[in-house]
Amino acid sequence: GAGVSQSPSNKVTEKGKDVELRCDPISGHTALYWYRQSLGQGLEFLIYFQGNSAPDKSGLPSDRFSAERTGGSVSTLTIQRTQQEDSAVYLCASSLGQNQPQHFGDGTRLSIL
Amino acid sequence: AQSVTQLGSHVSVSEGALVLLRCNYSSSVPPYLFWYVQYPNQGLQLLLKYTSAATLVKGINDFEAEFKKSETSFHLTKPSAHMSDAAEYFCAVRQAAGNKLTFGGGTRVLVKP
Repeated sequence: GAGVSQSPSNKVTEKGKDVELRCDPISGHTALYWYRQSLGQGLEFLIYFQGNSAPDKSGLPSDRFSAERTGGSVSTLTIQRTQQEDSAVYLCASSLGQNQPQHFGDGTRLSIL
Repeated sequence: AQSVTQLGSHVSVSEGALVLLRCNYSSSVPPYLFWYVQYPNQGLQLLLKYTSAATLVKGINDFEAEFKKSETSFHLTKPSAHMSDAAEYFCAVRQAAGNKLTFGGGTRVLVKP
């Protein structure tokens, strides 16, 4: 069956521009997570959505980062006024519920020039 | 805050030899523990998980891991390495009441013919 789908797979943009990263979770998965993977910081949690509950935004590094999940399915991670330190691979994961294993997409590789 | 330590950022093994990847966690209560594998330009794939049932956990591709509470460890092993095992491996922890995964720094495995 279809796994977690992320788009674009690669994104190159200039410093100061806004970017949007998209995640399509596995159908029926109520929980959705965003992580960031960078050389300096490893794998870091960013944000978590579970059903209609308020998202856990505790991992967002600054107020330039935001995410939404429309209709309990697709999620968009937005980074405003990008900085070079935002360069990383952004991974999305979904799970059937809070305590179920997380299934990851292939990520979006973001490069800020 | 919980943390995960993977000893050795790089491990080199010969094809057919034992693979041993070390993972130690810090947590006040036994958490849920996971091992993920990441192939180049791909997301993370779940190898196995510990959820407080049997302490010896078997996963895909002949990998297994043993939970040792007294040592706060969850080391990953495979009896005989295959060339296709060359990848990066991540140990992760999640508290029973939590949602986000906290990852170790990863161990990159090189398999020599």
